[in-house]
Amino acid sequence: EAQVTQNPRYLITVTGKKLTVTCSQNMNHEYMSWYRQDPGLGLRQIYYSMNVEVTDKGDVPEGYKVSRKEKRNFPLILESPSPNQTSLYFCASRQGLGTDTQYFGPGTRLTVL
Amino acid sequence: DQQVKQNSPSLSVQEGRISILNCDYTNSMFDYFLWYKKYPAEGPTFLISISSIKDKNEDGRFTVFLNKSAKHLSLHIVPSQPGDSAVYFCAARDSGNTPLVFGKGTRLSVIA
Repeated sequence: EAQVTQNPRYLITVTGKKLTVTCSQNMNHEYMSWYRQDPGLGLRQIYYSMNVEVTDKGDVPEGYKVSRKEKRNFPLILESPSPNQTSLYFCASRQGLGTDTQYFGPGTRLTVL
Repeated sequence: DQQVKQNSPSLSVQEGRISILNCDYTNSMFDYFLWYKKYPAEGPTFLISISSIKDKNEDGRFTVFLNKSAKHLSLHIVPSQPGDSAVYFCAARDSGNTPLVFGKGTRLSVIA
């Protein structure tokens, strides 16, 4: 089954404690991205990657890091989380060419105390 | 500056009636538009799309209309069903390998 998986689905942590949210896709997609969803603000892109070792900032990259060492994985790293990073996070992937569809993971709800 | 705007945060419709969700965009380079549907506790799922070379695309109960001169698109759901209650996101991008730009979403409630 074609899918995007994220782990963990729920996470409560404290300010300053480094964390990583994993994302994996099994569709051999070149393009992957991370979004956060906040009330009244919709989906905002954090980072995206057009291929292995190619990443770029989205609209709200501050406080986040990503890496793309292999095609299927695109982890999101919060080196020193803060309460304003409490949000619902979605990973997504698409082939990256033409009028292709973007697929989303199920989401990770992060709470930073 | 918001490039994709969904000006109605919420919409309530009676079951069986038509739901019309609207979306405006400002970037004239956008040439591909998508609608996503999102239920609570799930990721957004693709619903329907339209290329700028068309002005209408239909898929069952869902139809998307594109008015390029007005930079406006709309999603029509006929007839609306209670299971259609969700948040609907409009998204757009240009022809390159560029990120999708999303609107803030419209919460549709279909009342039985």
